[in-house]
Formats: sequence, C-alpha cells, structure tokens
Amino acid sequence: SQTIHQWPATLVQPVGSPLSLECTVEGTSNPNLYWYRQAAGRGLQLLFYSVGIGQISSEVPQNLSASRPQDRQFILSSKKLLLSDSGFYLCAQGVTGELFFGEGSRLTVL
Amino acid sequence: SQQGEEDPQALSIQEGENATMNCSYKTSINNLQWYRQNSGRGLVHLILIRSNEREKHSGRLRVTLDTSKKSSSLLITASRAADTASYFCATDDGDYKLSFGAGTTVTVRA
Repeated sequence: SQTIHQWPATLVQPVGSPLSLECTVEGTSNPNLYWYRQAAGRGLQLLFYSVGIGQISSEVPQNLSASRPQDRQFILSSKKLLLSDSGFYLCAQGVTGELFFGEGSRLTVL
Repeated sequence: SQQGEEDPQALSIQEGENATMNCSYKTSINNLQWYRQNSGRGLVHLILIRSNEREKHSGRLRVTLDTSKKSSSLLITASRAADTASYFCATDDGDYKLSFGAGTTVTVRA
C-alpha cells in the first residue's frame, strides 16, 4: 500500500522566514512525486513534480523550490516566505496514473 | 493550469438522497478521475474512467464520461452523513500530471 508522510502538519511562520516541508513515501521504488497547493476553499494547483532523484519540474514561477535528495523523499522550500505562500500543501505519489496524497501541511504566513 | 470545472460549487441533500455533480474540461484526456477530500485532510482517490469508457461503477458511485461534450458526472446514491466532503475531478492528458477543478462541496443532512 502507498503511505505518504508529511510534516509538519501545521506551521505558522513570519513573512521573510525560511520554509522546509518534508514528504516521505512508502511503497513502490522510483515513484513520481508531486507538490500541490490548495488555497482556502479552492482546487489544487500543481507546484512541482519529480520523476526521479534530482529531477524536478516546476509548474508555476514562484517563491518556492523543491528538491528530491532521495528516491522517496521530496522537500518543498523557500528562502523567504511571502503572505501569498499561505495555504494547504499536499504531497502526492503517482501510482499507475492515480495519486495517493499525504495528510497535508497547513502553512500560515503572518 | 486547472482544466476541470465542477458544477455545482456546493450541494446540500438529505440523507438517503442521491447527489450528482458534474465536471467539464477543455482538452483531450487519457482518463478522468474523481477524488474526495474531507475537511482539512488529504485527497482520496475514488474512481478512474478511461477516455474509451462511458460509464463505471464502484459501490454507491457511478461515473459517466462523454468525451464529445468533454464532461463527466459523479453520482453518489443513497447518500450518508459520511459522504459529506468536497469532491474533485482531475484530468490526465498523459504527461504524468493531473489537473484538478475547484471542487463541489457536498453536505449530507441527517
């Protein structure tokens, strides 16, 4: 079965501070991994996806970056947070075209 | 960018009634998927329908796909309080990425 671990679950950060959200997955090796952001009451916006170690594709120019240092680890980062970075961040693993999601990390930037 | 758009945005029904929501999309797809999200949680995959399929069932869920109209519908029969959630359609055009709509929020009243 596919298990996605995300942490932290909740985060409150001041504007201008750095960010690191971590995601680790269990299950198949060499999975496709994704970071999505969901604004309050809205759909999901794809931020980054990765098909292998060190391979990152960015969907939207923004204040965030992603890295994949290990096969089953996907990290979302920022050097300086903006108010607009607030949201619910979801990590997902793709398996035969379907996505399995973690429980999300809720970020509030003040 | 978001391809799928769900309609209605919100739906309130009595327990035992059926709930129907629709999804429209703009470009050709390989498959269309429906996901459920309970408040504050990650998304859970419900059902996948391929572009060469017209209807699919899974338990109390029935999904239809009309590629000529670029639309899909999700029917939940005999709704229960536990069906209260947001429902999202997602389209896969074959490039490893899913595009999600803004979702339909379903409230099932006891």
